[in-house]
Amino acid sequence: DIQMTQSPSSLSASVGDRVTVTCRAGQNVRSYLNWYQQKVGRAPRLLIYAASNLQSGVPSRFSGSGSGTDFTLTISSLQPEDFATYYCQQSFSTPYTFGQGTKLEIK
Amino acid sequence: EVQLVESGGGLVQPGGSLRLSCSASGFTLTTYAMHWVRQAPGKGLEFVSAISSSGGSTYYADSVKDRFTISRDNSKNTVHLQMSSLRPEDTAIYYCVTRGDYYVYDHWGQGILVTVSS
Repeated sequence: DIQMTQSPSSLSASVGDRVTVTCRAGQNVRSYLNWYQQKVGRAPRLLIYAASNLQSGVPSRFSGSGSGTDFTLTISSLQPEDFATYYCQQSFSTPYTFGQGTKLEIK
Repeated sequence: EVQLVESGGGLVQPGGSLRLSCSASGFTLTTYAMHWVRQAPGKGLEFVSAISSSGGSTYYADSVKDRFTISRDNSKNTVHLQMSSLRPEDTAIYYCVTRGDYYVYDHWGQGILVTVSS
């Protein structure tokens, strides 16, 4: 199985801040890297697919980059509704594995 | 509107069995491979099982292999997860998800809680 490692595990930030979350794959996953947002008590929601493509309906302040083993999720200007947990996921090979999550909290 | 609704969860004793169902509406299930993903209380997301669009191929996480069985009935737009020999560590919210284009989980059910405890 491909191991996915996110950093940081938690992050405190303020509304308006620029935030970056990183994800490292244990082996080359090309661009098969996706990002999900999960709010408390809700199912996850797809934000970014294939490393850098914004899912329909997702605000443009979210962006993704990277390929191979190193990836980033950036939120350009945090909004109150962005405080949640973010997960990366590789879909290069089954089983599709997730990072451990990054909890984004209000400072 | 695409909707996935899970059912069949609940409290079961260790060693017991449960059958989860996932009913789809607003789209044709036959076009999608379907996966189950779980989340233990306060923990992250974990792949459980997958089935191809035709039902001809299945895949299981090592942690559930030989205990869980995934199946689908395309005529009823439904996917099932038969869980047996349940353990306390199987306690989690189980999500039914579609595997869409670009190999992403693009639609999620609301999740169903399975609690394994005596």
